[in-house]
Amino acid sequence: DAGVIQSPRHEVTEMGQEVTLRCKPISGHNSLFWYRQTMMRGLELLIYFNNNVPIDDSGMPEDRFSAKMPNASFSTLKIQPSEPRDSAVYFCASSLAQGFNTEAFFGQGTRLTVV
Amino acid sequence: ILNVEQSPQSLHVQEGDSTNFTCSFPSSNFYALHWYRWETAKSPEALFVMTLNGDEKKKGRISATLNTKEGYSYLYIKGSQPEDSATYLCAQPRGNTGKLIFGQGTTLQVKP
Repeated sequence: DAGVIQSPRHEVTEMGQEVTLRCKPISGHNSLFWYRQTMMRGLELLIYFNNNVPIDDSGMPEDRFSAKMPNASFSTLKIQPSEPRDSAVYFCASSLAQGFNTEAFFGQGTRLTVV
Repeated sequence: ILNVEQSPQSLHVQEGDSTNFTCSFPSSNFYALHWYRWETAKSPEALFVMTLNGDEKKKGRISATLNTKEGYSYLYIKGSQPEDSATYLCAQPRGNTGKLIFGQGTTLQVKP
């Protein structure tokens, strides 16, 4: 398996533009997580899905952020409109189950820069 | 302890030194404690998932212990090598879910 695949790897966009980040989880994994990495807050969970259903989106910063998982092999994280403070590395991760003892497998991340 | 906390924030050691660092976490409603290794320009990779008080896990020169009653875990690296240079993250699931709350990490630099 190729692991969790994210695209794009780097994204530079202007403030106010819409940004869409994409993720393909490991085949057979039932849970998918979106994380954001910043210097100030470290690695924080934005939202996670189990069997394509959003379970907890309490980490989504505001209404400008939305995430979807239309099927088991694809998820998107959208920011509209984007702001400079959204600049960060966004990671997608998947796990075999949503249990507490299941390790997460991370993608390579998307480095987003909003200017 | 309300959050997952790690110390020290960074560590510089010489090749061959043994080292250890700490993860502190809320001891109430404990389910598991995860350790991840994050090399520069790569993505975090799981090292250990620990669930039992007193548990000790080992992978090569890296080992970890767990004390759920007092809410801490230690990660040990024996005979550090330059390739051990990375950020080591611990994380605790919130409840009986895969929702991981990460510490800020300990960044280890091993000098040859």
